[in-house]
Amino acid sequence: DSGVTQTPKHLITATGQRVTLRCSPRSGDLSVYWYQQSLDQGLQFLIQYYNGEERAKGNILERFSAQQFPDLHSELNLSSLELGDSALYFCASSATLTGNTIYFGEGSWLTVV
Amino acid sequence: DQQVKQNSPSLSVQEGRISILNCDYTNSMFDYFLWYKKYPAEGPTFLISISSIKDKNEDGRFTVFLNKSAKHLSLHIVPSQPGDSAVYFCAAKETSGSRLTFGEGTQLTVNP
Repeated sequence: DSGVTQTPKHLITATGQRVTLRCSPRSGDLSVYWYQQSLDQGLQFLIQYYNGEERAKGNILERFSAQQFPDLHSELNLSSLELGDSALYFCASSATLTGNTIYFGEGSWLTVV
Repeated sequence: DQQVKQNSPSLSVQEGRISILNCDYTNSMFDYFLWYKKYPAEGPTFLISISSIKDKNEDGRFTVFLNKSAKHLSLHIVPSQPGDSAVYFCAAKETSGSRLTFGEGTQLTVNP
């Protein structure tokens, strides 16, 4: 158990819909990261928040957004969903802004039909 | 542009023997490297890491070697156990940065 908690574990939704994925980082970790793992793209960095502020952005679509709340949990919002958004979405956390040890949650498996 | 590459999609070894997983990178700004293990339906689990100031780091049965001039690293597992069967991901980052760049993964199968 990495200490990073993600909900829901599985989600099936229709194209055009919006979903929210939730993440609680390890106790004491200030950085939260979101990664996407799809069949053809591997593990891709989406975005990082540190202590409530966005700090790094990767290959995140404009239809996707994230935020980190004062209690440090984070949400990833995916809207206008397309079939190609079906993937495993991982949250990860680290203690610091440039943490060298990054722990991953078990992922949220999103299927868009 | 794939900055971190694991050229072997799969590797099969006998229990008790050595497993060697390889990883190459192209971005010379990367100076910190990590290996993760992933079982199906689970998140990646951190295994071992190495900074570019070292060329070797050991933790129990796991050793990571870094060859900076060749931009190559490898993970050695000795002795291999059936429970080591999983997908292994190599990842790289800049120490001053936060994002991890992952390789495609290598499926290791350890046969009893």
